[in-house]
Amino acid sequence: GENVEQHPSTLSVQEGDSAVIKCTYSDSASNYFPWYKQELGKGPQLIIDIRSNVGEKKDQRIAVTLNKTAKHFSLHITETQPEDSAVYFCAASKGGSYIPTFGRGTSLIVHP
Amino acid sequence: EAGVTQSPTHLIKTRGQQATLRCSPISGHTSVYWYQQALGLGLQFLLWYDEGEERNRGNFPPRFSGRQFPNYSSELNVNALELEDSALYLCASSPGGFSGANVLTFGAGSRLTVL
Repeated sequence: GENVEQHPSTLSVQEGDSAVIKCTYSDSASNYFPWYKQELGKGPQLIIDIRSNVGEKKDQRIAVTLNKTAKHFSLHITETQPEDSAVYFCAASKGGSYIPTFGRGTSLIVHP
Repeated sequence: EAGVTQSPTHLIKTRGQQATLRCSPISGHTSVYWYQQALGLGLQFLLWYDEGEERNRGNFPPRFSGRQFPNYSSELNVNALELEDSALYLCASSPGGFSGANVLTFGAGSRLTVL
């Protein structure tokens, strides 16, 4: 089955810095890659996603890049703010009857 | 539009008891997924229901079971509770069907504590 590795497990940055979280996947048939943000006491919320026919997608301060050849994708957050502090999860999915597989999460801490 | 709602928010049980957790999907969504989020272990897939049928099951013992009702709501049952069942149980819904990507929307979760 699919295996998703996520790094780092913890990321500490100063407010205003950029943050990058990386994920690798094993199944070359995966074609949908969402990123979720989970704040304390809440469920994960979808913040951005990318499909395999696109190499990069941007939404204000967040962007996701995908390298299908290397089977890795990354989340980039620019100009980080304290409210960006949360746990971020990547996932990979083949769609259809396949279940999305999640990474183990990255705890992002943004220091004011 | 209401999101995915889960109940109860918190549940405390003792070893050997049974727990029942409930989930209402977004209106129009026919697929419901259950995940277990134990401390430090990320999201572990439990069960997937679509159109009232169990479509897939994760690597969990049979004492984890569930069902989906005609209105697409779902419940998760955990029998013979063990201490390691203590976790946040997340429900997610998606539009369903077998084509396209599984775009999941999560609820806030039910925190189960087993003493």
